[in-house]
Amino acid sequence: TQLLEQSPQFLSIQEGENLTVYCNSSSVFSSLQWYRQEPGEGPVLLVTVVTGGEVKKLKRLTFQFGDARKDSSLHITAAQTGDTGLYLCAGSASKIIFGSGTRLSIRP
Amino acid sequence: EPEVTQTPSHQVTQMGQEVILRCVPISNHLYFYWYRQILGQKVEFLVSFYNNEISEKSEIFDDQFSVERPDGSNFTLKIRSTKLEDSAMYFCASSELVLAGGLRLNEQFFGPGTRLTVL
Repeated sequence: TQLLEQSPQFLSIQEGENLTVYCNSSSVFSSLQWYRQEPGEGPVLLVTVVTGGEVKKLKRLTFQFGDARKDSSLHITAAQTGDTGLYLCAGSASKIIFGSGTRLSIRP
Repeated sequence: EPEVTQTPSHQVTQMGQEVILRCVPISNHLYFYWYRQILGQKVEFLVSFYNNEISEKSEIFDDQFSVERPDGSNFTLKIRSTKLEDSAMYFCASSELVLAGGLRLNEQFFGPGTRLTVL
């Protein structure tokens, strides 16, 4: 069974701090997506990474795909209260597998 | 910007009743999906659909579930005889065929969801 483990499950930090969340699996994925989900809404796609070692930046968010395409990280620089939300990774292999998410809370 | 739409936003039904959840995927997308998310839990894959047939389904997607693309725009999920444990948010998603280095990117765009409550 393919599993995506996200860590930490919960993270609460002060505005302005940096943070990294992780998405790990024992399976190789052809691509991996990061989504953000607000309560009562559908996940919103942030980025897709495809190549092992790939790094993508989206303003203050930096996404990295592991060399072996089994893991990924999301780093946020100078977090803002608007970054608060549930961050999900999803891996594509024969089907899509979602991680359980990291619930991020940024305190003003 | 094009988006996936879903109706209804909320559905309340009695156990044993049939429900049909409707989705209108993004118009040029070719792949369609249904997911569910039980309150407080992870998003779970149910089924993927391409070229008018199911391409992949999970163990959750048993004989009580079916999908259909009755016309060129709608994509439906039917639950024949609902159970209490079917209560969840159901999300539809769609993606287009985009290749990168020979691999399909499978970037999925999600609808806002239908909250199904089975009493």
